[in-house]
Amino acid sequence: NAGVTQTPKFRILKIGQSMTLQCTQDMNHNYMYWYRQDPGMGLKLIYYSVGAGITDKGEVPNGYNVSRSTTEDFPLRLELAAPSQTSVYFCASSRGLAGDETQYFGPGTRLLVL
Amino acid sequence: DAKTTQPPSMDCAEGRAANLPCNHSTISGNEYVYWYRQIHSQGPQYIIHGLKNNETNEMASLIITEDRKSSTLILPHATLRDTAVYYCIVRPMYSGGGADGLTFGKGTHLIIQP
Repeated sequence: NAGVTQTPKFRILKIGQSMTLQCTQDMNHNYMYWYRQDPGMGLKLIYYSVGAGITDKGEVPNGYNVSRSTTEDFPLRLELAAPSQTSVYFCASSRGLAGDETQYFGPGTRLLVL
Repeated sequence: DAKTTQPPSMDCAEGRAANLPCNHSTISGNEYVYWYRQIHSQGPQYIIHGLKNNETNEMASLIITEDRKSSTLILPHATLRDTAVYYCIVRPMYSGGGADGLTFGKGTHLIIQP
């Protein structure tokens, strides 16, 4: 049981380039989340999904897109990279059950936009 | 979500019990207390959660006061690998999936001294 896995671990992008951050979970969790964490700051929710085919915006969705075609995968797409998107990105998942909303996080993707 | 207050930093000797306090005086009856930690450069890690009874798992114990206005996370035998930022988070019993995500405050930076 690998939990939540993310690829790549680290990436440098030039301004205007695009990329997809991959996230996979093998716990059969319904809910999945994307957060970003800027240096010395807390996590901010970008997008979340409550099941395959269902996604919704979080606190900071601008500049990102997501899709959820399967229960396991929740990729995050950056279309036109900007320096403001330099951050560490964490994917998380949870069962989404009443009384247990524990979120399990992946190891993160460090993104540097130059 | 109810606001939490934690000391910014604490030291603990290796092998001793680390007791991390958290105040959540505005907690409501249907809100759980969750504890997560984030070791430098890693994804947040779930530790434990509880409603009103004390809880224990393989990582830690959670002691919640009878009035539920504060709690203490106990790491019984701290090791150097427990050096991390510890976050106390209050969450509703069921938030419906997380449009608000997890809100990590500043947490407590626990430093385990050899």
